Amino acid sequence: AQSVAQPEDQVNVAEGNPLTVKCTYSVSGNPYLFWYVQYPNRGLQFLLKYITGDNLVKGSYGFEAEFNKSQTSFHLKKPSALVSDSALYFCAVRDGGKAAGNKLTFGGGTRVLVKP
Amino acid sequence: NAGVTQTPKFQVLKTGQSMTLQCAQDMNHEYMSWYRQDPGMGLRLIHYSVGAGITDQGEVPNGYNVSRSTTEDFPLRLLSAAPSQTSVYFCASSYFGRGSGANVLTFGAGSRLTVL
Repeated sequence: AQSVAQPEDQVNVAEGNPLTVKCTYSVSGNPYLFWYVQYPNRGLQFLLKYITGDNLVKGSYGFEAEFNKSQTSFHLKKPSALVSDSALYFCAVRDGGKAAGNKLTFGGGTRVLVKP
Repeated sequence: NAGVTQTPKFQVLKTGQSMTLQCAQDMNHEYMSWYRQDPGMGLRLIHYSVGAGITDQGEVPNGYNVSRSTTEDFPLRLLSAAPSQTSVYFCASSYFGRGSGANVLTFGAGSRLTVL
């Protein structure tokens, strides 16, 4: 079975400071890892993914994430947070094998609050 | 290009009533899925489909039914609604293969269901 843990329910950061949202995962095969963001009363929007290749992945809106296989982590980062980054962030994983289809398992979400 | 369209956006049911949540995508995606979102629990997979005529159960399938007669449509049926099914439901689709957009779920805007 695959699983995702987002250990922080909420992250508070001042505008202009670095933002980190933590994610660890468990999967039997090679992981496909994703980050999504959800703004109030909206669906989820894709930020970035790791399939293979470079461990540092760059995505939308200045976000990036680092895949660490030994620590089974995929933390989301942004060097300088904006007030508009305040939202709910979800990490997700699937097994990279074809039999897994595109069944994603999501973490519980981390609410990010960026204060001016 | 409308993406993933869900209807209705809001619905109130009484216990025991049945209803169908509609989901349609115009991107020719093979994979479609239904998730429910509950506070603190992230998104949980209900049912999914890897192509027309093929469906399978996800993590929380009880009380729900799906069918996939066309590539475009993937309706979710609640057979006899219960208060535990009060939730926000999201339909999502993706395509298999390579490239930056492959395996990335595109989400609908959600359907908020209340069962009294």
